[in-house]
Amino acid sequence: QVQLRQSGPGLVKPSQTLSLTCAISGDSVSGDRAGWNWIRQSPSRGLEWLGRTYYGSKWYREYAASVKSRIRINADTSKNQFSLHLDSVIPEDTAVYYCARGWARDGFHDWGQGTRVTVSS
Amino acid sequence: QSLLTQPPSVSAAPGQRVTISCSGRNSNIGNRDVSWYQHLPGTDPKILIYLNSNRPSGIPDRFSASKSGASATLVISGLQTGDEGDYYCGTWDESLTAFVFGSGTTVHVL
Repeated sequence: QVQLRQSGPGLVKPSQTLSLTCAISGDSVSGDRAGWNWIRQSPSRGLEWLGRTYYGSKWYREYAASVKSRIRINADTSKNQFSLHLDSVIPEDTAVYYCARGWARDGFHDWGQGTRVTVSS
Repeated sequence: QSLLTQPPSVSAAPGQRVTISCSGRNSNIGNRDVSWYQHLPGTDPKILIYLNSNRPSGIPDRFSASKSGASATLVISGLQTGDEGDYYCGTWDESLTAFVFGSGTTVHVL
């Protein structure tokens, strides 16, 4: 059974970088069985896919257009985890952030516990 | 503004049936598989349907879905008070090279 455990701060100041980590158990971040995604949820925007990383002879990263200029998703094979970095945050980035495992075709079957992030000074 | 359009809300009495539509285009639903997610208050999102019409283990058969052309539909039969919450469709969009969620539908049990 795959488990995803998120960590990171719940409060970030405007213009700073939001950083979250998702630790994986029961699968390998560098395996070919899944993509590793970040998704956020807010009352104003609902569920919003932010991006993903996956390994297929090399590392691939794909990002949503809405955050493409500010986002980085990286994998750490030594710790079997992946991370989200969102630069220059604004109050509208306030949301619950989730990591999720899965391919777009099959859907996201495994989710982290969610991290409520507030952007405020 | 989501590429996948869902009705903002649907309502029905306990035991009744609700239908949630998800309208897209050829670059997404028309050429890709659809998944559906349930997000109940105070819980984390959960997948209800994958590959258009398949239920993961543990999801009751009260939840069913289908796809036709560039649209998809989720049906909840035998509605229960515990079904109140938000429901989202999702799929890959080939033009955006990104996964997109629908605008979301809130289910109200009267």
